[in-house]
Amino acid sequence: EIVLTQSPGTLSLSPGERATLSCRASQSVSSNYLAWYQQKPGQAPRLLIYGASSRATGIPDRFSGSGSGTDFTLTISRLEPEDFAVYYCQQYGSSRTFGQGTKVEI
Amino acid sequence: QVQLVESGGGLVKPGGSLRLSCAASGFTFSDYYMTWIRQAPGKGLEWVSYISSSGATRYYADSVKGRFTISRDNAKNSLYLQMNSLRAEDTAVYYCARDGRYCGGDCYSDYWGQGTLVTVSS
Repeated sequence: EIVLTQSPGTLSLSPGERATLSCRASQSVSSNYLAWYQQKPGQAPRLLIYGASSRATGIPDRFSGSGSGTDFTLTISRLEPEDFAVYYCQQYGSSRTFGQGTKVEI
Repeated sequence: QVQLVESGGGLVKPGGSLRLSCAASGFTFSDYYMTWIRQAPGKGLEWVSYISSSGATRYYADSVKGRFTISRDNAKNSLYLQMNSLRAEDTAVYYCARDGRYCGGDCYSDYWGQGTLVTVSS
């Protein structure tokens, strides 16, 4: 099973700042099959990024994904108030597993 | 618009059974793989199972294999999860999710329902 480790556990930032979230895999992720989701309290997760760098429908361009192999990054270029949430990465190249999440807080 | 509405959650005793349902609308249900994902209270996400568009292929996480069965009824636009031999560690919100188009079993989930809570406790 591929284990995904997200860092940091919590990121404390202010609106307008840049957020950089990391997701590291225990082995190479096949075909860069890596997705990112956003979850707000009491809500279902929302797909942000798939294929490591493709934005999902309706996702603002301040969200971007990059990386390959075992190291992946989600970047939020300028934080908006609605971006404060928990973010999960998921690999789907070998079964499907999630990281433990990164909380982005004010 | 895509809508996924789960139902069937509730309180069940250890060793008991429960059947979750997910009603889908706003897309051609029979064209998509579907997935169940769960989230224990205050914890992260755990993929549970997926089923192919025809229902011929089903895949399970090791933690539920042999106890849970995923199924679908394309005529009713519905997805199901039969859960048997339930344990306390199965307590979670269970989400129904649609997988992306054309990616088969190696896929992300692009739309999620709001979830249904399953509590396993005596």
